[in-house]
Amino acid sequence: AQSVAQPEDQVNVAEGNPLTVKCTYSVSGNPYLFWYVQYPNRGLQFLLKYITGDNLVKGSYGFEAEFNKSQTSFHLKKPSALVSDSALYFCAVRIGADTGRRALTFGSGTRLQVQP
Amino acid sequence: NAGVTQTPKFQVLKTGQSMTLQCAQDMNHEYMSWYRQDPGMGLRLIHYSVGAGITDQGEVPNGYNVSRSTTEDFPLRLLSAAPSQTSVYFCASSTSGTFTDTQYFGPGTRLTVL
Repeated sequence: AQSVAQPEDQVNVAEGNPLTVKCTYSVSGNPYLFWYVQYPNRGLQFLLKYITGDNLVKGSYGFEAEFNKSQTSFHLKKPSALVSDSALYFCAVRIGADTGRRALTFGSGTRLQVQP
Repeated sequence: NAGVTQTPKFQVLKTGQSMTLQCAQDMNHEYMSWYRQDPGMGLRLIHYSVGAGITDQGEVPNGYNVSRSTTEDFPLRLLSAAPSQTSVYFCASSTSGTFTDTQYFGPGTRLTVL
């Protein structure tokens, strides 16, 4: 069974400091990994995805994520956090290789709080 | 492009009532899906469709029906609402639903069942 875990319910960071939001996955076959962000009372917005190729993936709003196959991780990073980055972040893995369901399995979400 | 739109934004139902959550997209996407979001549980797939006339169950389909008569629309029907269906519902679409596709989400419908 495929799954994704976000071990931290909340991450607090000061504005200007680097941030990391953690994600680990468990899949059979090749992983297709995604990060989404949800601002209050809004739908999910796509940030970035890893399909194949370079392990460092760059996405929207200055975010990047590092795919680490040996550690089965896909951590989201940003070199310098902004207060406006405060939101709920979801890691997701695409399932379907063995079930036929072309859908995303989501982690439970990590709330990022950036303090001024 | 309006993208993915959902109506209504908020809804309050009494136990046993039925209703339909509307979802539409104007991007000519083949693949559409419905998720529910509950605190601490991320999003869970309810139903999905890979094209007009084709639907299938997701992870938590009980109590919900869907149909896909056009490419643009994918309504979600609650047959007899229960308090356990209190949640935020998101509709999503993507070009073809292949494993590498990016899904685009609507703004959500917040449903409360009393």
